[in-house]
Amino acid sequence: AQSVTQPDIHITVSEGASLELRCNYSYGATPYLFWYVQSPGQGLQLLLKYFSGDTLVQGIKGFEAEFKRSQSSFNLRKPSVHWSDAAEYFCAVGKETSGSRLTFGEGTQLTVNP
Amino acid sequence: EPEVTQTPSHQVTQMGQEVILRCVPISNHLYFYWYRQILGQKVEFLVSFYNNEISEKSEIFDDQFSVERPDGSNFTLKIRSTKLEDSAMYFCASSEGQGFQPQHFGDGTRLSIL
Repeated sequence: AQSVTQPDIHITVSEGASLELRCNYSYGATPYLFWYVQSPGQGLQLLLKYFSGDTLVQGIKGFEAEFKRSQSSFNLRKPSVHWSDAAEYFCAVGKETSGSRLTFGEGTQLTVNP
Repeated sequence: EPEVTQTPSHQVTQMGQEVILRCVPISNHLYFYWYRQILGQKVEFLVSFYNNEISEKSEIFDDQFSVERPDGSNFTLKIRSTKLEDSAMYFCASSEGQGFQPQHFGDGTRLSIL
């Protein structure tokens, strides 16, 4: 069965600082990996996805993530955080079958200090 | 940009009553999903739907739940006899049919069972 772990429940950074959110997955085959962001009262917005190819993927809002198969990780990064990035971030894994479920991590709540 | 829309945004229902949550997926998408998020917990998969039938369901999706695509645009989740523990945010999502495409989420319906 697939699973996702986000070790950090809550992270606080200062505006302008760099950010890394951790995600570890467990899946027996080629994982399809995603990062979603949820602002208060909003739905889940897709930040980026990894299917295959280049292990460093670029997303929206200046985010990037790196797939490391040897570490079963898909960490999200941003070089300089903006106050508007404060939100909850979810890592998710899916199978390579169309229409299959996503399995989400517990989420990481990001607070940005001015 | 096309989006998934969900109505109502908040539904309050007495325990034991039936409730229908409605979703309008993105128009050219062929796969439809329901997820739920109990307050403070991770997002959990309920069911996926394709070609007018359920393609996958989780252990949460028992006989109390049903899904339907009553016309060409709506996708509904019915909870037949609500329980207190059904209180959660329910998210609808949709994805394209070709290959493995990311799921796009609506803003959710907050269901409160009294």
